[in-house]
Amino acid sequence: KAGVTQTPRYLIKTRGQQVTLSCSPISGHRSVSWYQQTPGQGLQFLFEYFSETQRNKGNFPGRFSGRQFSNSRSEMNVSTLELGDSALYLCASSSLPWETQYFGPGTRLLVL
Amino acid sequence: AQRVTQPEKLLSVFKGAPVELKCNYSYSGSPELFWYVQYSRQRLQLLLRHISRESIKGFTADLNKGETSFHLKKPFAQEEDSAMYYCALRAMFSGGYNKLIFGAGTRLAVHP
Repeated sequence: KAGVTQTPRYLIKTRGQQVTLSCSPISGHRSVSWYQQTPGQGLQFLFEYFSETQRNKGNFPGRFSGRQFSNSRSEMNVSTLELGDSALYLCASSSLPWETQYFGPGTRLLVL
Repeated sequence: AQRVTQPEKLLSVFKGAPVELKCNYSYSGSPELFWYVQYSRQRLQLLLRHISRESIKGFTADLNKGETSFHLKKPFAQEEDSAMYYCALRAMFSGGYNKLIFGAGTRLAVHP
């Protein structure tokens, strides 16, 4: 099976812009979680989706949002970008929410 | 509060030496713990989950509920073990919601 894929792999934006990141889970996986990875804060949970519903959200401002489509693909959106949003954004999929999560390669976002 | 602590940022050993990567957790429920590994320029991948009690690439980890620890061990380190290792705790919430809480990670450097 193909692994979790994320697009784009790299992105450069300026402050105030918005960005959309995409995640395609492993075939058959219905749960998708997003994490932010930074040198200072490490890996932090953003949100979890299952069957097109957001089931859980981490401690991030409302500028961070996401959705999941009927084919389980997921997108996350960050509006009004700030310099501190520069990070590696990781997507993970699992067959069900309580099963093992498998990670994608990440999207590296740089905000200038 | 749920928390995962990896006290060592860097662990440096020589090839053939034993390795122990420390992980302590704080969680009020029944914990489910994982070790993930990230090799250079590769995605985060699952190494071990405590409920499977497997040995992967010679690594083992035992959950010690009394000491709230889940240390990762290998009797003889190899150069190819050099990587970033993350300990993670699955925190469950009512309704079946869950998220992974990661430690800050420990970089293992194995020298020839």
